[in-house]
Amino acid sequence: KQEVTQIPAALSVPEGENLVLNCSFTDSAIYNLQWFRQDPGKGLTSLLLIQSSQREQTSGRLNASLDKSSGRSTLYIAASQPGDSATYLCAAEAGTALIFGKGTTLSVSS
Amino acid sequence: NAGVTQTPKFQVLKTGQSMTLQCAQDMNHEYMSWYRQDPGMGLRLIHYSVGAGITDQGEVPNGYNVSRSTTEDFPLRLLSAAPSQTSVYFCASSYGRGGYEQYFGPGTRLTVT
Repeated sequence: KQEVTQIPAALSVPEGENLVLNCSFTDSAIYNLQWFRQDPGKGLTSLLLIQSSQREQTSGRLNASLDKSSGRSTLYIAASQPGDSATYLCAAEAGTALIFGKGTTLSVSS
Repeated sequence: NAGVTQTPKFQVLKTGQSMTLQCAQDMNHEYMSWYRQDPGMGLRLIHYSVGAGITDQGEVPNGYNVSRSTTEDFPLRLLSAAPSQTSVYFCASSYGRGGYEQYFGPGTRLTVT
C-alpha cells in the first residue's frame, strides 16, 4: 500500500531564506506527483505536477523534483516571503486515487 | 471558468439526518472524486467516478453514497449522519485518471452533533 510521508511537519524561517520541503513515498509505481498549497480554512491549490517520466518542474520561485528510484520528491522555495506561509501537501497518484502526505506547515516571518 | 464548485460551505447536522453535498465542475473533466480531510489523518478518498454513470469506492466509502448522472455533477450523499463523519469534504476533478493534474473545490465543513 502506497504511503506518503512529509518531513518536517512544521517549519519556521525568516523572510528571504531558501528552503526545501521533503516528500517520500513507498511505492515507485506512480503516475505523477503533485504539490499543493492549502491556506487555513481553504481548499487545495495545485502548485506543480511532475509526471512520472519527468525529473523536475518549475513555476516562478518554486521548483519540484522527483526521484522515483529513491521514492523522493522535494519542493524548493526560493527567497521565501510571508505570503508563502501555508501548509504544503504532496500527493502521489497511484491507481485510482491521490495518496496524500500529512503536510508541512510553513511559517515565514518578516 | 468557475472550476470546481461545492455547496454548502458549512453544514451542521444532527445524528441520523441525511444530506447531499453538491459538487460541480465546468471543465468537461471525466474524472471526479470526493475526499475527506481530518486532523492527523490527511486527505482520504471516499468515492470516485471515471465518467457519467460509473462510480467506485475509495478508501473510506462506508456511510456515503454517490451517483454521476452528468459529466458536470458528482453529489455525495450522507445516508444517516454520524459524529465520525464530522470532517472537511473536498471534491476534485481531472481530465482523466493516470497522470493528469487534479483540481480541488473549496470544501464543505460538516459538523455532526
